[in-house]
Amino acid sequence: SQQGEEDPQALSIQEGENATMNCSYKTSINNLQWYRQNSGRGLVHLILIRSNEREKHSGRLRVTLDTSKKSSSLLITASRAADTASYFCATDRPSGSRLTFGEGTQLTVNP
Amino acid sequence: GAGVSQSPRYKVAKRGQDVALRCDPISGHVSLFWYQQALGQGPEFLTYFQNEAQLDKSGLPSDRFFAERPEGSVSTLKIQRTQQEDSAVYLCASSLGGQRDHGYTFGSGTRLTVV
Repeated sequence: SQQGEEDPQALSIQEGENATMNCSYKTSINNLQWYRQNSGRGLVHLILIRSNEREKHSGRLRVTLDTSKKSSSLLITASRAADTASYFCATDRPSGSRLTFGEGTQLTVNP
Repeated sequence: GAGVSQSPRYKVAKRGQDVALRCDPISGHVSLFWYQQALGQGPEFLTYFQNEAQLDKSGLPSDRFFAERPEGSVSTLKIQRTQQEDSAVYLCASSLGGQRDHGYTFGSGTRLTVV
């Protein structure tokens, strides 16, 4: 079963705009990770945020984590057409041996 | 190698046929995971190895699915008597140690189509 649920399911924006995707989860976590998947390809690890962290930055990416609300958001600033992909959040539970992925957000950045 | 390599890239199997999917993880990566991804869905966990030990196989959907990693490096996912519902992309991922505080490196996957 899916632990994470991304919102929205699909997002279409213009190049240069910011894109925000949200993820909610149900159980306690050790960390939360975001991955990107281009069509027909494997997943690429973008960023990891630990349960005791609230915000993390990497280049044009900003991730926040609110463990009280069991939610996370991924912000991509100044989007580019090359950012077009599906984005997944994945949770790592303290007692688990696996990542549990959400259904993903399909982001389309129009040139 | 530089990344996780999976073969074949595409596989078409007739219903009832057995298939074997191969994963070459990054050299030295202790942890290896198999995931199944249906079209338009997120990846679903199948099984996890730490070196040659299969520590978690709770995600395997039936006893037709079998995975092994006999020498702690290359892994094979075998599906016996394939069914149409087995059609999916099978993703392999590896990680240096446990995945705690490290992301996974995924291969490009094997797209299995059962006809």
